Amino acid sequence: GNSVTQMEGPVTLSEEAFLTINCTYTATGYPSLFWYVQYPGEGLQLLLKATKADDKGSNKGFEATYRKETTSFHLEKGSVQVSDSAVYFCALSAGTGTASKLTFGTGTRLQVTL
Amino acid sequence: SAVISQKPSRDICQRGTSLTIQCQVDSQVTMMFWYRQQPGQSLTLIATANQGSEATYESGFVIDKFPISRPNLTFSTLTVSNMSPEDSSIYLCSGRDRLGYGYTFGSGTRLTVV
Repeated sequence: GNSVTQMEGPVTLSEEAFLTINCTYTATGYPSLFWYVQYPGEGLQLLLKATKADDKGSNKGFEATYRKETTSFHLEKGSVQVSDSAVYFCALSAGTGTASKLTFGTGTRLQVTL
Repeated sequence: SAVISQKPSRDICQRGTSLTIQCQVDSQVTMMFWYRQQPGQSLTLIATANQGSEATYESGFVIDKFPISRPNLTFSTLTVSNMSPEDSSIYLCSGRDRLGYGYTFGSGTRLTVV
């Protein structure tokens, strides 16, 4: 079956530090890959996505590249801010119909300090 | 992308009672999903809500405990029945965007069973 493995948190960084959150996946076929962010007390928001190999998703300074050869979709940001403190979820969807459901990683909590 | 309104945002319920959670989408979505997120955990899919037919449940979840309705393409409900403290969790609905932007989430319902 499909699965997503994320690096464990929490990750604590100083403001303006470089961020990498690793994500690897296992899936049949060619999945679409997503990063979602959950701010404290809120629901999930789509941060970025990529639908095919070598696609780069980007949003709000965050980037992730769909690497088929390494089955990875690592999230990066060059300079984090305190407002980026949240939980980040890597996810994939593959197939059609009910098989198109999202499979989530365990989430990585990011804490950015001044 | 679609916007999903979910309510209630939170509730405290007595053991043995039931709570119905509603999700309204502002545009048509192809698929709707219901998730549970236990404290500090990732999202677990409960079921896929199918328009006009019975929902498709994931392993470990049953219709008697989590009846779901989806009368049209923009509305769905999840009922948590005969609640116990173990049902205390955040429940989220999600829709797969018809235009392919991805999966949008409601803001979640934080349920506490006492």
